[in-house]
Amino acid sequence: EAGVTQFPSHSVIEKGQTVTLRCDPISGHDNLYWYRRVMGKEIKFLLHFVKESKQDESGMPNNRFLAERTGGTYSTLKVQPAELEDSGVYFCAISHGNSPLHFGNGTRLTVT
Amino acid sequence: GNSVTQMEGPVTLSEEAFLTINCTYTATGYPSLFWYVQYPGEGLQLLLKATKADDKGSNKGFEATYRKETTSFHLEKGSVQVSDSAVYFCALSDRAGGTSYGKLTFGQGTILTVHP
Repeated sequence: EAGVTQFPSHSVIEKGQTVTLRCDPISGHDNLYWYRRVMGKEIKFLLHFVKESKQDESGMPNNRFLAERTGGTYSTLKVQPAELEDSGVYFCAISHGNSPLHFGNGTRLTVT
Repeated sequence: GNSVTQMEGPVTLSEEAFLTINCTYTATGYPSLFWYVQYPGEGLQLLLKATKADDKGSNKGFEATYRKETTSFHLEKGSVQVSDSAVYFCALSDRAGGTSYGKLTFGQGTILTVHP
């Protein structure tokens, strides 16, 4: 069964600092997505990778966010510099072919 | 653009009660519809889905029917258990069944708590 590992599970940083979130999907899944849930609101799409290429990054909130997917395997999402409104839970998800998304447990980011 | 509206929670029920969580949507074309569930300390899990009008998705005693005429996909369960306590998310994908479901539009989530 497909698996997605995200770490750290929880990160607390100060405003202005940099944080890098990581997503390790099980191999064989070309499609990788990042989503975010802020302050108990709806979960929102951030971006979509197909292998190492960004297919759709229309949901990225601003240029403080940078996502990469090295060699089409794991992915990172860097926030630099972090702001208070970036606090939330960041989810990574994968899919293969026509299968529905399979999500990781998420990283809870707290910016103080 | 696409949007999903869920009934506001939290919802608190006693064990064996009937559950309904309302979900309505706005979308162009023929979206696929989903319910995801997040149990405490875990990630989102697909609960059920429906890819075309009048389809009924079902899993673990939960059901939801894709109603195009009312643009709804309400989640129901006849007899809830304590283990059903979780956050439930309604979502849609504007890619028709048979293609990628990846870019989802979610509702805001409904917290369900079931007491013994």
